[in-house]
Amino acid sequence: GIQVEQSPPDLILQEGANSTLRCNFSDSVNNLQWFHQNPWGQLINLFYIPSGTKQNGRLSATTVATERYSLLYISSSQTTDSGVYFCAGGGADGLTFGKGTHLIIQP
Amino acid sequence: GAGVSQSPSNKVTEKGKDVELRCDPISGHTALYWYRQSLGQGLEFLIYFQGNSAPDKSGLPSDRFSAERTGGSVSTLTIQRTQQEDSAVYLCASSPSTSGAYFGPGTRLTVT
Repeated sequence: GIQVEQSPPDLILQEGANSTLRCNFSDSVNNLQWFHQNPWGQLINLFYIPSGTKQNGRLSATTVATERYSLLYISSSQTTDSGVYFCAGGGADGLTFGKGTHLIIQP
Repeated sequence: GAGVSQSPSNKVTEKGKDVELRCDPISGHTALYWYRQSLGQGLEFLIYFQGNSAPDKSGLPSDRFSAERTGGSVSTLTIQRTQQEDSAVYLCASSPSTSGAYFGPGTRLTVT
């Protein structure tokens, strides 16, 4: 199956800062998603983005399918952005998750 | 309901007992996934159902684990003869064929 690598594993920022999270895939995928797991454990679907660019408020994501990576951008970070960000990719055989980026936004 | 639901939300069981975890996916979603997450860890894939196809069971950690999906909707994950290492949060997700997966709140299983 595919391998999913996320970087950085941990990130600590001050409120208001911008950040970029990266996800690399070992093989091409036709299903790619970004999730945020909040401190209560709930996984929130941020983007379904097998290719191209999408934006939702302060968050945006870009996937370059030909180069097998995706980026998640968070602008003007808020303390509520803290948590673990996962990317996941796959095809007909389901979704494989990376190990996540643990983001802490300090006030 | 609007989202994926799972029951129970918490389950404490004694080592050696069997447990059943339930997932109600979003209506109309063809795909259903089970994952588990140990404390502070990533998501470990367990099993994947897609429509009427045979499920992908490649992630089940042992033959004590089984899952079924009845009528293409509700799914039950069964763990027989539970062990302490089975303690984790068990997460279910569903998706339509053409877009992303949506997760339920999970079932926290504690084996004592």
